[in-house]
Amino acid sequence: DAEITQSPRHKITETGRQVTLACHQTWNHNNMFWYRQDLGHGLRLIHYSYGVQDTNKGEVSDGYSVSRSNTEDLPLTLESAASSQTSVYFCASRPGPNTGELFFGEGSRLTVL
Amino acid sequence: GENVEQHPSTLSVQEGDSAVIKCTYSDSASNYFPWYKQELGKRPQLIIDIRSNVGEKKDQRIAVTLNKTAKHFSLHITETQPEDSAVYFCAARWNTGNQFYFGTGTSLTVIP
Repeated sequence: DAEITQSPRHKITETGRQVTLACHQTWNHNNMFWYRQDLGHGLRLIHYSYGVQDTNKGEVSDGYSVSRSNTEDLPLTLESAASSQTSVYFCASRPGPNTGELFFGEGSRLTVL
Repeated sequence: GENVEQHPSTLSVQEGDSAVIKCTYSDSASNYFPWYKQELGKRPQLIIDIRSNVGEKKDQRIAVTLNKTAKHFSLHITETQPEDSAVYFCAARWNTGNQFYFGTGTSLTVIP
């Protein structure tokens, strides 16, 4: 079955280290998104992509970057992890701009010490 | 960008009662409003959605209403059951950018 998967599911790192969270989908969706989920803030958009080589900043993009070299993957990189980036990260995808449903991955829990 | 406000943040109801969650949005150009349910430790999943050309939509025990003039939409769950306990998120799709902006979530507890 087609799916969207994230790895790692849990990660503990230290302040200042670079961290990459992987997101892989097998639906051939053009649109992919990264959100972070924090208590009291809901789901906030970090970065998104509408296709290969396309990346865009969301509402909380500082300290994060993404790249889209193929349709299936949108890795999220924290260049220098900060304690404020401790969160649960969700990747999501959908077929195209006028299709409704977002399909979410299982989430990646990141702790920055 | 879009700003979505959601209330209440927590809601407790007795089993069998109804639950209502309300959201307001700021961008009048938003045209699509989904609701997601997130069970503890799980990923958010779509439960119902409504487009801006429709005022109400029902699916069994859940319904969503939209008031475009007032820029608010609501989720209604009737005959609540313990398995309805979860966090519910509303969202609005920002028409000019096609991104989704989410509310801050409502933690619903259904008391048996």
